[in-house]
Amino acid sequence: GAVVSQHPSRVICKSGTSVKIECRSLDFQATTMFWYRQFPKQSLMLMATSNEGSKATYEQGVEKDKFLINHASLTLSTLTVTSAHPEDSSFYICSARFYRDGSNQPQHFGDGTRLSIL
Amino acid sequence: SQQGEEDPQALSIQEGENATMNCSYKTSINNLQWYRQNSGRGLVHLILIRSNEREKHSGRLRVTLDTSKKSSSLLITASRAADTASYFCATVGFYGNKLVFGAGTILRVKS
Repeated sequence: GAVVSQHPSRVICKSGTSVKIECRSLDFQATTMFWYRQFPKQSLMLMATSNEGSKATYEQGVEKDKFLINHASLTLSTLTVTSAHPEDSSFYICSARFYRDGSNQPQHFGDGTRLSIL
Repeated sequence: SQQGEEDPQALSIQEGENATMNCSYKTSINNLQWYRQNSGRGLVHLILIRSNEREKHSGRLRVTLDTSKKSSSLLITASRAADTASYFCATVGFYGNKLVFGAGTILRVKS
């Protein structure tokens, strides 16, 4: 089945550091990737939709200058948390959809990145 | 923003029992999907049911959809300890391509 690889799985760093998270579709081309944030024991909150070759679409309330998204190829999207602070600590998950799939197909999720800012 | 509500928030059952989780949503949908999340991991797709379908089966899973009530249920039969996880419903609207997740149900199956 379709595989999405997310890296790193865990990051611990100091406040003020910028952190980059990669999301790769390993065996399919993904024109659209999605980035979610999840707090403990809560649901997933969509942060942004990333389309290959164009600017990401951010959800209301998500700071685009804080969470930089780049989708430079059909198999890679990156999320950079700039100047991270403790309140940015969270579980970040990406997902991807095969370029031929419409909305009646499931998304394929990465295993998430646990970000801890000290 | 979260569209769906799920109940129960948490469910604890014995191995071999059935587990039923419910999901309600607010707006018209194109399809509804159920996902499973093991602790600290990503989501695994379970079943997708389209708005013109009423019931779908996959192994020990049965999903129903009632668009008049804007609700869906996920039934896991003959549960196993390995079914312990969080279960989320998610909807896709007619004009969007993004998933809107419900709050989720934490299922614990005791052996």
